[in-house]
Amino acid sequence: KQEVTQIPAALSVPEGENLVLNCSFTDSAIYNLQWFRQDPGKGLTSLLLIQSSQREQTSGRLNASLDKSSGRSTLYIAASQPGDSATYLCASPSGTYKYIFGTGTRLKVLA
Amino acid sequence: GAVVSQHPSRVICKSGTSVKIECRSLDFQATTMFWYRQFPKQSLMLMATSNEGSKATYEQGVEKDKFLINHASLTLSTLTVTSAHPEDSSFYICSASRGELGGYTFGSGTRLTVV
Repeated sequence: KQEVTQIPAALSVPEGENLVLNCSFTDSAIYNLQWFRQDPGKGLTSLLLIQSSQREQTSGRLNASLDKSSGRSTLYIAASQPGDSATYLCASPSGTYKYIFGTGTRLKVLA
Repeated sequence: GAVVSQHPSRVICKSGTSVKIECRSLDFQATTMFWYRQFPKQSLMLMATSNEGSKATYEQGVEKDKFLINHASLTLSTLTVTSAHPEDSSFYICSASRGELGGYTFGSGTRLTVV
């Protein structure tokens, strides 16, 4: 059974810092891993999807990596901005479609 | 592409009444949609899988008679919370596969408050 853990649970950084969010999963036989952003009281916005055959994906200031052998994924945010403040969730399928979510990292970027 | 619209975004209802939440795929057909529930400061938990034209598949511990799911077309799935109670107050989110894009896209969620 897939279990997904995210560390840290909360993070507060000054504007402009580069930061890394961590996601660990127990079952390395994953199809993909997806990173989401959730603003308070809102739904989820997909940020990056990494297929099992890929090692990383980039979109703007975001870079996500995937290391299946160690069961880890990281989300790197460059030059953080106050608008990046949100909860970041990673998720990976258990079986063919059932997504297992981590508990999230609540990020606050201070102006 | 692969946009999912969820309605309403927020609803307050009296205890004992029923509430229907709609989830629509706007620019693609979704044969399968998923319903999640999220309690404050917790992660998303899958409640059920909604299959077009057939019965939904519920996760362990989710009451199928309380959370009625209907997926009558390829673009619409509904979740009805029947005889709602305060403990049903939560954030409900639907999702659907993004097809060729891979991964899943999520609706904007519905905040249900039962008073």
